Amino acid sequence: DADVTQTPRNRITKTGKRIMLECSQTKGHDRMYWYRQDPGLGLRLIYYSFDVKDINKGEISDGYSVSRQAQAKFSLSLESAIPNQTALYFCATSGRSGSSYNEQFFGPGTRLTVL
Amino acid sequence: GQQVMQIPQYQHVQEGEDFTTYCNSSTTLSNIQWYKQRPGGHPVFLIQLVKSGEVKKQKRLTFQFGEAKKNSSLHITATQTTDVGTYFCASYAGNNRKLIWGLGTSLAVNP
Repeated sequence: DADVTQTPRNRITKTGKRIMLECSQTKGHDRMYWYRQDPGLGLRLIYYSFDVKDINKGEISDGYSVSRQAQAKFSLSLESAIPNQTALYFCATSGRSGSSYNEQFFGPGTRLTVL
Repeated sequence: GQQVMQIPQYQHVQEGEDFTTYCNSSTTLSNIQWYKQRPGGHPVFLIQLVKSGEVKKQKRLTFQFGEAKKNSSLHITATQTTDVGTYFCASYAGNNRKLIWGLGTSLAVNP
Protein backbone atom coordinates (compact mmCIF):
# COMPACT_ATOMS: atom_id res chain seq x y z
CA ASP A 1 0.00 0.00 0.00
CA ALA A 2 1.16 3.51 -0.78
CA ASP A 3 2.50 5.49 2.17
CA VAL A 4 0.97 8.79 1.01
CA THR A 5 -2.40 8.66 -0.67
CA GLN A 6 -4.44 11.40 -2.29
CA THR A 7 -8.10 11.43 -3.22
CA PRO A 8 -9.48 12.02 -5.72
CA ARG A 9 -6.80 11.35 -8.35
CA ASN A 10 -8.68 13.35 -10.97
CA ARG A 11 -11.44 15.89 -10.62
CA ILE A 12 -13.28 18.10 -13.06
CA THR A 13 -15.44 20.81 -11.56
CA LYS A 14 -17.07 24.09 -12.44
CA THR A 15 -16.24 27.62 -11.48
CA GLY A 16 -17.63 28.54 -8.08
CA LYS A 17 -17.83 25.02 -6.70
CA ARG A 18 -16.25 24.05 -3.39
CA ILE A 19 -13.67 21.32 -3.73
CA MET A 20 -11.81 19.30 -1.14
CA LEU A 21 -8.67 17.33 -1.84
CA GLU A 22 -7.65 14.81 0.77
CA CYS A 23 -4.30 13.44 1.80
CA SER A 24 -3.57 10.56 4.14
CA GLN A 25 -0.26 9.07 5.19
CA THR A 26 0.82 5.97 7.01
CA LYS A 27 4.44 7.01 7.46
CA GLY A 28 3.90 8.42 10.94
CA HIS A 29 5.29 11.77 9.84
CA ASP A 30 4.25 14.92 11.62
CA ARG A 31 5.00 17.34 8.79
CA MET A 32 2.66 17.63 5.83
CA TYR A 33 2.63 19.93 2.80
CA TRP A 34 0.38 20.89 -0.08
CA TYR A 35 1.95 21.93 -3.38
CA ARG A 36 0.60 22.86 -6.74
CA GLN A 37 2.46 22.18 -9.96
CA ASP A 38 1.95 24.07 -13.20
CA PRO A 39 4.01 23.56 -16.37
CA GLY A 40 7.15 25.67 -16.23
CA LEU A 41 6.46 26.90 -12.71
CA GLY A 42 7.81 23.99 -10.72
CA LEU A 43 6.36 23.17 -7.31
CA ARG A 44 4.76 25.98 -5.33
CA LEU A 45 3.90 25.60 -1.68
CA ILE A 46 0.30 26.32 -0.73
CA TYR A 47 0.18 25.38 2.96
CA TYR A 48 2.23 23.33 5.39
CA SER A 49 1.63 21.88 8.80
CA PHE A 50 4.05 20.65 11.42
CA ASP A 51 1.37 19.19 13.64
CA VAL A 52 -2.38 19.40 14.18
CA LYS A 53 -2.12 22.81 15.79
CA ASP A 54 0.62 24.24 13.59
CA ILE A 55 -0.63 25.32 10.15
CA ASN A 56 1.18 27.84 7.99
CA LYS A 57 0.62 29.63 4.73
CA GLY A 58 2.95 28.98 1.85
CA GLU A 59 3.73 31.24 -1.06
CA ILE A 60 0.36 30.89 -2.84
CA SER A 61 -2.31 30.36 -0.15
CA ASP A 62 -4.89 32.84 -1.49
CA GLY A 63 -8.06 31.01 -2.53
CA TYR A 64 -7.15 27.90 -0.54
CA SER A 65 -7.70 26.66 2.98
CA VAL A 66 -6.54 23.56 4.83
CA SER A 67 -7.53 21.34 7.70
CA ARG A 68 -5.26 19.01 9.67
CA GLN A 69 -7.83 16.61 11.06
CA ALA A 70 -5.26 14.28 12.57
CA GLN A 71 -1.55 13.67 12.33
CA ALA A 72 -2.17 11.42 9.34
CA LYS A 73 -4.68 13.58 7.43
CA PHE A 74 -4.29 16.95 5.76
CA SER A 75 -7.04 18.31 3.50
CA LEU A 76 -6.91 21.15 1.02
CA SER A 77 -10.06 23.08 0.14
CA LEU A 78 -10.86 25.44 -2.67
CA GLU A 79 -13.80 27.43 -1.33
CA SER A 80 -14.89 28.73 -4.72
CA ALA A 81 -12.90 27.19 -7.53
CA ILE A 82 -11.75 29.32 -10.45
CA PRO A 83 -10.19 28.24 -13.77
CA ASN A 84 -6.68 29.39 -12.88
CA GLN A 85 -6.68 26.86 -10.07
CA THR A 86 -6.53 24.15 -12.70
CA ALA A 87 -3.30 22.33 -11.84
CA LEU A 88 -1.69 19.19 -10.49
CA TYR A 89 -1.79 19.13 -6.69
CA PHE A 90 0.64 17.16 -4.56
CA CYS A 91 0.60 16.32 -0.90
CA ALA A 92 3.94 15.57 0.74
CA THR A 93 5.14 14.50 4.16
CA SER A 94 8.40 14.55 6.03
CA GLY A 95 9.47 13.22 9.35
CA ARG A 96 11.33 14.68 12.26
CA SER A 97 14.69 13.21 13.10
CA GLY A 98 18.06 14.27 14.37
CA SER A 99 18.64 16.11 11.10
CA SER A 100 16.48 19.10 10.32
CA TYR A 101 16.80 18.54 6.60
CA ASN A 102 14.37 15.74 5.99
CA GLU A 103 13.42 14.39 2.61
CA GLN A 104 9.86 14.81 1.50
CA PHE A 105 7.65 11.94 0.36
CA PHE A 106 5.02 12.77 -2.20
CA GLY A 107 1.59 11.38 -2.90
CA PRO A 108 0.59 10.46 -6.46
CA GLY A 109 -1.09 13.81 -7.09
CA THR A 110 -4.58 15.08 -7.89
CA ARG A 111 -5.22 16.53 -11.31
CA LEU A 112 -7.85 19.23 -10.92
CA THR A 113 -9.60 20.91 -13.81
CA VAL A 114 -11.87 23.90 -13.19
CA LEU A 115 -14.12 24.75 -16.11
CA GLY B 1 14.13 35.61 0.35
CA GLN B 2 16.15 32.59 -0.58
CA GLN B 3 15.87 31.55 -4.21
CA VAL B 4 17.25 28.60 -6.10
CA MET B 5 17.87 28.99 -9.82
CA GLN B 6 18.11 25.88 -11.96
CA ILE B 7 19.45 25.56 -15.50
CA PRO B 8 18.85 24.51 -18.17
CA GLN B 9 15.07 24.35 -18.26
CA TYR B 10 15.08 21.64 -20.93
CA GLN B 11 17.66 19.32 -22.41
CA HIS B 12 17.45 16.78 -25.18
CA VAL B 13 20.25 14.24 -25.51
CA GLN B 14 20.98 11.14 -27.50
CA GLU B 15 21.05 7.97 -25.48
CA GLY B 16 24.59 7.44 -24.26
CA GLU B 17 25.43 11.15 -24.00
CA ASP B 18 26.08 12.81 -20.67
CA PHE B 19 23.75 15.29 -18.98
CA THR B 20 24.24 17.92 -16.32
CA THR B 21 21.81 20.20 -14.51
CA TYR B 22 22.92 23.06 -12.30
CA CYS B 23 21.42 24.70 -9.28
CA ASN B 24 22.58 28.14 -8.10
CA SER B 25 21.80 30.49 -5.25
CA SER B 26 22.98 33.97 -4.38
CA THR B 27 22.97 33.01 -0.71
CA THR B 28 24.71 30.22 1.14
CA LEU B 29 22.61 27.09 1.27
CA SER B 30 22.45 24.92 4.37
CA ASN B 31 21.73 21.83 2.29
CA ILE B 32 20.61 20.75 -1.15
CA GLN B 33 18.24 17.98 -2.09
CA TRP B 34 17.64 16.47 -5.52
CA TYR B 35 14.39 14.92 -6.71
CA LYS B 36 13.33 13.18 -9.91
CA GLN B 37 9.84 13.28 -11.37
CA ARG B 38 9.06 10.81 -14.13
CA PRO B 39 6.46 11.87 -16.72
CA GLY B 40 3.03 11.46 -15.14
CA GLY B 41 4.56 10.74 -11.77
CA HIS B 42 5.38 12.47 -8.54
CA PRO B 43 8.72 13.82 -7.28
CA VAL B 44 10.92 11.19 -5.71
CA PHE B 45 13.85 12.01 -3.44
CA LEU B 46 17.26 11.11 -4.84
CA ILE B 47 19.83 12.49 -2.45
CA GLN B 48 20.79 15.19 0.02
CA LEU B 49 24.09 17.07 0.29
CA VAL B 50 25.03 19.05 3.37
CA LYS B 51 28.80 19.52 3.48
CA SER B 52 30.85 22.02 1.53
CA GLY B 53 32.44 20.36 -1.50
CA GLU B 54 30.52 17.15 -0.95
CA VAL B 55 30.35 14.66 -3.82
CA LYS B 56 28.06 11.65 -3.83
CA LYS B 57 27.49 9.02 -6.48
CA GLN B 58 24.58 6.76 -7.26
CA LYS B 59 25.54 4.46 -10.13
CA ARG B 60 25.69 6.78 -13.18
CA LEU B 61 24.54 9.85 -11.20
CA THR B 62 27.06 12.19 -9.56
CA PHE B 63 25.92 14.95 -7.22
CA GLN B 64 28.14 17.82 -6.13
CA PHE B 65 27.75 20.63 -3.61
CA GLY B 66 29.96 23.64 -4.21
CA GLU B 67 32.74 24.69 -1.88
CA ALA B 68 30.89 27.93 -1.08
CA LYS B 69 27.60 26.03 -0.72
CA LYS B 70 25.97 28.31 -3.27
CA ASN B 71 25.69 25.85 -6.11
CA SER B 72 25.13 22.19 -6.86
CA SER B 73 25.08 19.94 -9.88
CA LEU B 74 23.68 16.61 -10.96
CA HIS B 75 25.60 14.82 -13.68
CA ILE B 76 24.37 11.70 -15.44
CA THR B 77 26.92 9.65 -17.36
CA ALA B 78 25.81 7.78 -20.47
CA THR B 79 22.12 8.59 -20.28
CA GLN B 80 19.52 5.90 -20.76
CA THR B 81 15.85 6.19 -21.66
CA THR B 82 15.03 5.40 -18.04
CA ASP B 83 16.63 8.73 -17.08
CA VAL B 84 13.82 10.68 -18.76
CA GLY B 85 12.02 13.04 -16.40
CA THR B 86 12.32 16.33 -14.62
CA TYR B 87 15.09 16.82 -12.07
CA PHE B 88 14.51 19.31 -9.27
CA CYS B 89 16.90 20.75 -6.76
CA ALA B 90 15.56 22.09 -3.47
CA SER B 91 16.93 23.55 -0.29
CA TYR B 92 15.46 24.14 3.13
CA ALA B 93 15.04 27.83 3.92
CA GLY B 94 16.83 29.38 6.86
CA ASN B 95 14.20 28.32 9.34
CA ASN B 96 14.28 24.70 8.06
CA ARG B 97 10.52 24.57 7.82
CA LYS B 98 9.98 24.50 4.07
CA LEU B 99 11.82 23.59 0.91
CA ILE B 100 12.68 26.20 -1.69
CA TRP B 101 12.47 24.54 -5.10
CA GLY B 102 14.22 25.15 -8.38
CA LEU B 103 11.99 25.13 -11.45
CA GLY B 104 13.44 21.85 -12.63
CA THR B 105 15.28 20.59 -15.70
CA SER B 106 13.32 18.36 -18.05
CA LEU B 107 15.45 15.70 -19.67
CA ALA B 108 14.45 13.96 -22.88
CA VAL B 109 16.55 11.05 -24.16
CA ASN B 110 16.39 9.97 -27.78
CA PRO B 111 16.99 6.23 -28.18
